[in-house]
Amino acid sequence: GENVEQHPSTLSVQEGDSAVIKCTYSDSASNYFPWYKQELGKRPQLIIDIRSNVGEKKDQRIAVTLNKTAKHFSLHITETQPEDSAVYFCAPHHPLYYGNNRLAFGKGNQVVVIP
Amino acid sequence: DGGITQSPKYLFRKEGQNVTLSCEQNLNHDAMYWYRQDPGQGLRLIYYSQIVNDFQKGDIAEGYSVSREKKESFPLTVTSAQKNPTAFYLCASTSSGMYNEQFFGPGTRLTVL
Repeated sequence: GENVEQHPSTLSVQEGDSAVIKCTYSDSASNYFPWYKQELGKRPQLIIDIRSNVGEKKDQRIAVTLNKTAKHFSLHITETQPEDSAVYFCAPHHPLYYGNNRLAFGKGNQVVVIP
Repeated sequence: DGGITQSPKYLFRKEGQNVTLSCEQNLNHDAMYWYRQDPGQGLRLIYYSQIVNDFQKGDIAEGYSVSREKKESFPLTVTSAQKNPTAFYLCASTSSGMYNEQFFGPGTRLTVL
């Protein structure tokens, strides 16, 4: 199965600075790479995703970059704000066959934005 | 929020009792999932179902059971065989296809007394 690791486990940044968190996976056949955000006491929600035929994707202050050769992808948050404080989960996906929507979640990166 | 709901929000159980957590979705999604979340452990898959009347074990299925009699519903039973059931339980659903977002319910926090 997929082995997923997220680093660093906790990241503290000053408000306004950038944050970068990294997800490493083991299965080279994985082809879909989402990031989910979970605020304290709330449900996880998809914030950005990327497919294996794209190297980078941006959406306002967040971006995801993919390095398939090294088997890792990263979440970049620029101009961090207090509402960015949350746990972020990566979930690389390998569709063994069409219709297999099982995701392998990492243990999460805790991001703390210090005002 | 609409979409996918879980009940109850908080649940207390005595040791030795079975308890059933409800999960309902009105998104017309084929696939549904149950995850367990413990502090620092991320999301661990308990069971998942890709179609009505069919389900598969996830990574930590021991002590749990599920049914999928209707497309909209995927209840999870925590049995007395689950040795450490106190946790936050999340239900999710997704439509069929290769690149699809998982939508999560608000969760049920189960505490065994």
